[in-house]
Amino acid sequence: DAGVTQSPTHLIKTRGQQVTLRCSPKSGHDTVSWYQQALGQGPQFIFQYYEEEERQRGNFPDRFSGHQFPNYSSELNVNALLLGDSALYLCASSLQGVSAGELFFGEGSRLTVL
Amino acid sequence: GQQLNQSPQSMFIQEGEDVSMNCTSSSIFNTWLWYKQDPGEGPVLLIALYKAGELTSNGRLTAQFGITRKDSFLNISASIPSDVGIYFCAGQGVRDTNAGKSTFGDGTTLTVKP
Repeated sequence: DAGVTQSPTHLIKTRGQQVTLRCSPKSGHDTVSWYQQALGQGPQFIFQYYEEEERQRGNFPDRFSGHQFPNYSSELNVNALLLGDSALYLCASSLQGVSAGELFFGEGSRLTVL
Repeated sequence: GQQLNQSPQSMFIQEGEDVSMNCTSSSIFNTWLWYKQDPGEGPVLLIALYKAGELTSNGRLTAQFGITRKDSFLNISASIPSDVGIYFCAGQGVRDTNAGKSTFGDGTTLTVKP
């Protein structure tokens, strides 16, 4: 049973560039959420995708955008990168319903912006 | 916005000792969750709580959903070296439950000395 997979695991970008991160959810899951985790802090909710639509969004600017594909996989795009965007980006999958809060996380994509 | 205060920030204990950590919020939550994160990995769900006053165990771990719905506690009994890691509490507010958005604390770092 494949868990949540993310790619790439590490990447380095410079200010102003754009980045795309990818996520495949756990088998059988239909919902994907993205979180940003800065060093020494807990994950911060970016947004969630279900049925190929953004359902809820955290306090992140429009530079952060996403997409969900028919096979439930998802992408996170960040434009005009800032130094402060350096963080671990976590993808989490879940199922709608009573257990919607039970998130299964991938290992994350560590982004460094220089 | 919603904030979770998690304490203590770090703990250094001897193998075999019991551990207690807690999480408080200024807002009411419908769901409390506890995760553990090891270095280089994403958080892993330990326990999910859905009802005020609920006490749930998972092996040596026991968690409680506070009666006021504004706090939760996690206890680890008879700690072992593999308990080392960062423990996060997370909560879901009334409007967040169906969307799966979780608010995370900043974690308790546990070190276990053999």
